[in-house]
Amino acid sequence: DGGITQSPKYLFRKEGQNVTLSCEQNLNHDAMYWYRQDPGQGLRLIYYSQIVNDFQKGDIAEGYSVSREKKESFPLTVTSAQKNPTAFYLCASSSRTSGRASYNEQFFGPGTRLTVL
Amino acid sequence: RKEVEQDPGPFNVPEGATVAFNCTYSNSASQSFFWYRQDCRKEPKLLMSVYSSGNEDGRFTAQLNRASQYISLLIRDSKLSDSATYLCVVNYPDSSYKLIFGSGTRLLVRP
Repeated sequence: DGGITQSPKYLFRKEGQNVTLSCEQNLNHDAMYWYRQDPGQGLRLIYYSQIVNDFQKGDIAEGYSVSREKKESFPLTVTSAQKNPTAFYLCASSSRTSGRASYNEQFFGPGTRLTVL
Repeated sequence: RKEVEQDPGPFNVPEGATVAFNCTYSNSASQSFFWYRQDCRKEPKLLMSVYSSGNEDGRFTAQLNRASQYISLLIRDSKLSDSATYLCVVNYPDSSYKLIFGSGTRLLVRP
């Protein structure tokens, strides 16, 4: 089965701790993304990566870091510098496929709910 | 002004009803448009892309009006299972990779 997996599903963090959220895809997609969703709000882009070993900041990158050492993997670290980390974190990927379907349709993993205690 | 604006709802309709959502976007340079569906506490799932000529997928019809910068989604013969939040999505004008998500319109279909 092709898809995007995220782990863990739920994560609890103490203040001052760094935590890393996993995102893996076996869709052979080039681009990967991290979003944050707060209750009643839309998704906000944290970081994105178009190719391996390259990534760019999104709209709310402060307090977060990423790496893209492999095409399949795009882990997100929530650092202690992120003041309000409690949120629903979503990873997505997209492919440069041709045809009528837009190549920037994004497909999402099931998400990680992070709670700071 | 928000880059993508949607009526948050909720739209409360009986089974079998036809319901329409609109969404407006602020940047005329956007080129890609989508509707996503998000169930409570789940990830968004692509419902359909929106093309200039309009497109239909079963009970769902999407339309794009570039002149007025709005996108619509029409759902015919509503089912209980259509209850969800519908997200309007457009691309960032400076990047075809980056997408801007609206906050969503909530639909409740009652028996």
